[in-house]
Amino acid sequence: DVKVTQSSRYLVKRTGEKVFLECVQDMDHENMFWYRQDPGLGLRLIYFSYDVKMKEKGDIPEGYSVSREKKERFSLILESASTNQTSMYLCASSFGGTGSYEQYFGPGTRLTVT
Amino acid sequence: GDSVTQMEGPVTLSEEAFLTINCTYTATGYPSLFWYVQYPGEGLQLLLKATKADDKGSNKGFEATYRKETTSFHLEKGSVQVSDSAVYFCALSDLGTSGTYKYIFGTGTRLKVLA
Repeated sequence: DVKVTQSSRYLVKRTGEKVFLECVQDMDHENMFWYRQDPGLGLRLIYFSYDVKMKEKGDIPEGYSVSREKKERFSLILESASTNQTSMYLCASSFGGTGSYEQYFGPGTRLTVT
Repeated sequence: GDSVTQMEGPVTLSEEAFLTINCTYTATGYPSLFWYVQYPGEGLQLLLKATKADDKGSNKGFEATYRKETTSFHLEKGSVQVSDSAVYFCALSDLGTSGTYKYIFGTGTRLKVLA
């Protein structure tokens, strides 16, 4: 079974703190993704990576950065957390090459910024 | 650009009722289409998919057919159960201008099934 794990299920941080969210997959997938999920807005792509050290901005990259130093690990960094970044963050991975492969999701991290 | 539109919820049904959740899309290329389901407290998981026109995806009694002429991928189930209560997301993947594939999700439809 494919497994995508995220470092925390719940996280509470203060405004201005630097926040790291980590994601690990065990299926040798080329692609990895970070989304945020907000009520009424569905899933919005923050960043994705199609190979080690390669990344592309998604629809809402402002205020975020990412790191992929190893194939199985993809980190999302909030450089200076703000209250409008309170959200559910979902990591996903998939095989690359074509768009016909489905994504596998982690359980999510609910981040609250106070 | 590409987009996915699905019916707003919540949808409330009695057990054994017929379910339809509408999904339409716009795409510049020839997308693959997906339905994902999210149970409370969990991430999304694939329910079914279709990669070319007239393909029917099916799983756990759910079905959806890729209709290119109407740009639709409606989800159906003949008899829902309480355990089907969840949020359902329609999604597509399509080749983007940068040469990598983009994945676009709808806003989700919450389904509540009453015993």
